[in-house]
Amino acid sequence: DTAVSQTPKYLVTQMGNDKSIKCEQNLGHDTMYWYKQDSKKFLKIMFSYNNKELIINETVPNRFSPKSPDKAHLNLHINSLELGDSAVYFCASSQESYFQETQYFGPGTRLLVL
Amino acid sequence: AQRVTQPEKLLSVFKGAPVELKCNYSYSGSPELFWYVQYSRQRLQLLLRHISRESIKGFTADLNKGETSFHLKKPFAQEEDSAMYYCALLGGGYNKLIFGAGTRLAVHP
Repeated sequence: DTAVSQTPKYLVTQMGNDKSIKCEQNLGHDTMYWYKQDSKKFLKIMFSYNNKELIINETVPNRFSPKSPDKAHLNLHINSLELGDSAVYFCASSQESYFQETQYFGPGTRLLVL
Repeated sequence: AQRVTQPEKLLSVFKGAPVELKCNYSYSGSPELFWYVQYSRQRLQLLLRHISRESIKGFTADLNKGETSFHLKKPFAQEEDSAMYYCALLGGGYNKLIFGAGTRLAVHP
């Protein structure tokens, strides 16, 4: 009955590899987000999708590509991983994209790039 | 520019002491502000939002537009309040949350 779930929980990989993180929400929400929390615990939005359409795209390297196969899923694919990509990545969802709806967060995926 | 400032990285108090976590914001419009909490290795959870004027787990926060602040307060801290607290501003349309750097609250017995 988990509202927003992410897989995997932990991801350890070598520099240069390509990896994906998956996110699913069963809340019936229209909007999903990806946030990055760095080693200093600073949280910053990366992307947002509303009904499978990209609506927020912050200044993120184009090695990061979000994909939304349907409105319940938002995956994050990262190419050519770098050491600086090590962080915790949080997925979130909300009912609407523009009406100040509360965002519900997933448990996070801890990515460590060696 | 839209910005959220949490000046304290760490706030350390004893159980039963009052707590105030500071948050200041910069926003040209009418702000919508939130406090999120992250317990150790857990997901972020909404603690409260100013529009609902609720008190959750004994915490309150009042929006002061004159001082552009939204400080989080609790009169008597409990050990289970130890967590990372983030102040966030909804800005730029599309439900975009802008987070402060976070304040770690440590409540000692």
